[in-house]
Amino acid sequence: SQTIHQWPATLVQPVGSPLSLECTVEGTSNPNLYWYRQAAGRGLQLLFYSVGIGQISSEVPQNLSASRPQDRQFILSSKKLLLSDSGFYLCAWSPTGPNYGYTFGSGTRLTVV
Amino acid sequence: GQQVMQIPQYQHVQEGEDFTTYCNSSTTLSNIQWYKQRPGGHPVFLIQLVKSGEVKKQKRLTFQFGEAKKNSSLHITATQTTDVGTYFCAGRTFGSARQLTFGSGTQLTVLP
Repeated sequence: SQTIHQWPATLVQPVGSPLSLECTVEGTSNPNLYWYRQAAGRGLQLLFYSVGIGQISSEVPQNLSASRPQDRQFILSSKKLLLSDSGFYLCAWSPTGPNYGYTFGSGTRLTVV
Repeated sequence: GQQVMQIPQYQHVQEGEDFTTYCNSSTTLSNIQWYKQRPGGHPVFLIQLVKSGEVKKQKRLTFQFGEAKKNSSLHITATQTTDVGTYFCAGRTFGSARQLTFGSGTQLTVLP
């Protein structure tokens, strides 16, 4: 069966420090991969999605970037964190095609101090 | 761009009461999905509706997709404390097969 792993679970980082969040999927190939951010008590904001290795689409211009160096690996990065980058970051995957639900990872709670 | 509005934002009910959340899209959808996020957890896929006027049931949960495929609802009968969480709808348009647009969610509190 397919599983999605996301780490770390929590992270406290100072302003101006770099960020790297990793997400991996097992048990499937060529998944669609997504990074979402959720502010406290708010909805889900799509940050990036990828339909293949090296293919990244950005939905919101910001201080973050994403990369997909391997088929089942999705990385969210920042060179210098801002206070406004705090939030709950969720990775998700879905099979290729329009009629599948998303499976979310357990998320990373990022606090920028 | 496509917008998916969801109401109400918050709902407090007494255990045993019914609950309904509504979702409206600014554009016609190819399908709509529903997710549940428990407090402190991550969203979990509940169901997908594809056909106009479709109705699906999961135990006490009833999901409907409007005839025009622009709105949807989730109804929970006789809520239980285990129903606590935030319910999100997520719509997919015909031109964006890869992407879902999530509603803002309805946060349900069930009072014992």
